[in-house]
Amino acid sequence: EDKVVQSPLSLVVHEGDTVTLNCSYEVTNFRSLLWYKQEKKAPTFLFMLTSSGIEKKSGRLSSILDKKELFSILNITATQTGDSAIYLCASNTNAGKSTFGDGTTLTVKP
Amino acid sequence: DSGVTQTPKHLITATGQRVTLRCSPRSGDLSVYWYQQSLDQGLQFLIQYYNGEERAKGNILERFSAQQFPDLHSELNLSSLELGDSALYFCASSDRGGADTQYFGPGTRLTVL
Repeated sequence: EDKVVQSPLSLVVHEGDTVTLNCSYEVTNFRSLLWYKQEKKAPTFLFMLTSSGIEKKSGRLSSILDKKELFSILNITATQTGDSAIYLCASNTNAGKSTFGDGTTLTVKP
Repeated sequence: DSGVTQTPKHLITATGQRVTLRCSPRSGDLSVYWYQQSLDQGLQFLIQYYNGEERAKGNILERFSAQQFPDLHSELNLSSLELGDSALYFCASSDRGGADTQYFGPGTRLTVL
């Protein structure tokens, strides 16, 4: 059975801190790994990763995939209160199936 | 706004009843995915349709069924509802069948009393 595990489950930091969120996966016929941010509504897309070692970057957020060790990390630098959310990692297969992790709840205090 | 629409926003019904949730994908997207998000189980993939055909199945109960119509909108039918079916049901769409970047709708909150 496909499995995605995220750690930590929750994290509390102060504004300006840097955080690293982890996602490990065990998936048959892996195609891509996606990161989403979920606030009080639907998840919004952050990154899609398909190749190992290539960092994707968007402002203060960045992510990288290691297909040999089967994990990905999401980094957020200079955190702001607006970064407070649940961050979801999902693995996708060539057959079109998505498996989500339980998410990491990030709280950024002023 | 992702461009994915879902109706209704909220639905309250009783155990044993049947409901239909509707989703319209982003313009041009061929794939539709359904997810269930409950407090104790996180986001669970239910089923995917691509251009009218079932493409992938996840943890979908036999009491649940879905279809995608020629105009690409999709419906998720939930029958013989139980209290445990209370959850937020999301629809997402993507332009390809490989479950890549998915754009989520606002969700339908189902409450079963």
